Amino acid sequence: DVKVTQSSRYLVKRTGEKVFLECVQDMDHENMFWYRQDPGLGLRLIYFSYDVKMKEKGDIPEGYSVSREKKERFSLILESASTNQTSMYLCASSLYGSSYNEQFFGPGTRLTVL
Amino acid sequence: AQTVTQSQPEMSVQEAETVTLSCTYDTSESDYYLFWYKQPPSRQMILVIRQEAYKQQNATENRFSVNFQKAAKSFSLKISDSQLGDAAMYFCAYRNSGGYQKVTFGIGTKLQVIP
Repeated sequence: DVKVTQSSRYLVKRTGEKVFLECVQDMDHENMFWYRQDPGLGLRLIYFSYDVKMKEKGDIPEGYSVSREKKERFSLILESASTNQTSMYLCASSLYGSSYNEQFFGPGTRLTVL
Repeated sequence: AQTVTQSQPEMSVQEAETVTLSCTYDTSESDYYLFWYKQPPSRQMILVIRQEAYKQQNATENRFSVNFQKAAKSFSLKISDSQLGDAAMYFCAYRNSGGYQKVTFGIGTKLQVIP
């Protein structure tokens, strides 16, 4: 089974803190994604990566950065957390090449910024 | 840019009955892929069913089937013989055939299954 894990299920941080969300997949997938999920807005893509050290901005990259130093790991960084970044964050991975391939999701990290 | 619209924020169905969730999308592409994902409460999102735009035959996976109307840009999900475990958020998603695998999701439909 494909497994995508995220470092924390719940996280509480204070405004201005630097926040790291980690995602690891064990299926040697090239593509990895970070989404933000908010009620009434669905899933919105923050960043994605198609290879080590490669990254592409998604639809809402402002206030976020990412790092992919190893193929299996994709980190989302909030340089200075703000209350409007309180949300559920979902990581996903997929195999490069076939457009048909599904994305496999992690369990999510519910981040609260106070 | 592509958009995906799910116009039913919430739906309910009696156990063992059939329910249809609606999804429409907007694209100028002719080749693309459509997906339905399921997110159970406090559990990981998983793929339910997928459809290639160039295939006219509607996809089916056990109790789940789709009604794909390419001209109308409609992609509805039918769940037959609904079970309590079907209760979840359902997301419709779209992906272009080329480029990297950027997927556009709808806002979701929350399905309640009534015993």
